[in-house]
Amino acid sequence: EVQLVESGGGLVQPGGSLRLSCATSGFTFRTYWMTWVRQAPGKGLEWVANTNADGSRADYVDSVKGRFTISRDNAENSLYLQMNSLRAEDTAVYYCVRYTRLSGADWGQGTLVTVSS
Amino acid sequence: DVVMTQSPLSLPVTPGQPASISCRSSHRLVHTDGNTYLDWFQQRPGQSPRRLIYNVSKWESGVPDRFSGSGSGTDFTLKISRVEADDVGVYYCMQGTIWPFTFGQGTKLEIK
Repeated sequence: EVQLVESGGGLVQPGGSLRLSCATSGFTFRTYWMTWVRQAPGKGLEWVANTNADGSRADYVDSVKGRFTISRDNAENSLYLQMNSLRAEDTAVYYCVRYTRLSGADWGQGTLVTVSS
Repeated sequence: DVVMTQSPLSLPVTPGQPASISCRSSHRLVHTDGNTYLDWFQQRPGQSPRRLIYNVSKWESGVPDRFSGSGSGTDFTLKISRVEADDVGVYYCMQGTIWPFTFGQGTKLEIK
């Protein structure tokens, strides 16, 4: 069974930093692209970033470019999201997602990030 | 970015009745590999999203065949043949053809 467990969320002040982690199991992590998707409270879904299987490539939505960094540790089967210069509009539940176009899409339970003074 | 527009945004349905959600994209979603990467997700209250349909019309494992997807180009539809109480939640279309991948605003299905 595929499992994705996010951690690292919490309350942070505007301008601060936070690092999210996603521990995975149940599949061969090193062979999959991985993704972070977020959902602001009461709002819709937004694709944030993804990275290829070996971590050599990363893509970001414009609103987080230069502030967020997605990375992975294939030896530890873990995905990360380093978030710097956080803004109030970054407040959201952040989901770790194993997304494939044709071979499944699995979501974690999410971790809440609140940016507020 | 590709804009995905869903309608309606709110959908009250009587159990046993059909339901239909429309999704229109601002760009054609045919990939250079010939596939159209249009997904439908269901998000039940308090839960993470779950993909129901991928590649316009293919079912994810375990999805009841009451759900069906159709469409091409820029216009897509999710249909539920007979709505059940368990179908309550928000439904999102998502395009996975053009980066950044984008979601529709969501359609909230409620039981009358």
